Amino acid sequence: DAGVIQSPRHEVTEMGQEVTLRCKPISGHDYLFWYRQTMMRGLELLIYFNNNVPIDDSGMPEDRFSAKMPNASFSTLKIQPSEPRDSAVYFCASSADRVGGGYEQYFGPGTRLTVT
Amino acid sequence: DQQVKQNSPSLSVQEGRISILNCDYTNSMFDYFLWYKKYPAEGPTFLISISSIKDKNEDGRFTVFLNKSAKHLSLHIVPSQPGDSAVYFCAASEFGGNKLVFGAGTILRVKS
Repeated sequence: DAGVIQSPRHEVTEMGQEVTLRCKPISGHDYLFWYRQTMMRGLELLIYFNNNVPIDDSGMPEDRFSAKMPNASFSTLKIQPSEPRDSAVYFCASSADRVGGGYEQYFGPGTRLTVT
Repeated sequence: DQQVKQNSPSLSVQEGRISILNCDYTNSMFDYFLWYKKYPAEGPTFLISISSIKDKNEDGRFTVFLNKSAKHLSLHIVPSQPGDSAVYFCAASEFGGNKLVFGAGTILRVKS
């Protein structure tokens, strides 16, 4: 399997612009997670989906952030409008369901976002 | 409130010696624990995990120990190799839960 695929790998944009990050999870995985990594806050969960349905979006920082999963093989994280403080590395991860818990998540390579 | 804490930001070890990375947690509902390794410009990679019904899990050079009463786990790497130099994250989840809570990470440097 190719693993979790993210695009773009790097994104540089100006403040106020819309940014869309993309993710293709591992085929057959039921769960998809979006994380953000910063120096100050470490690796924090933004939102996760189960079978394409958003389950917990409590980590989404503001209404400027939105995420969708239109099908089992594709998800987007959108920031509109973007701000310099959104600069971070954004990771997508996926995992398979496992009765009783214990879900190893598999991460993509990340998208490094810079907002100037 | 940090539920998973890695109090050592960095650790330096000589090649061939043992590396011990530590992790503490506060949430007594956590019952599954994982270690991830991360190289620069890459995503975290799953390394090893342990369920709360065990106190030790071994995979090659990597062993994770869990002390539930102390709410403490550790990752032992023996022998350490230069290629082990990376950031190591401890993570935890509640029973039946899907979310992972990550620690801040520990930078391991293995000197040759």
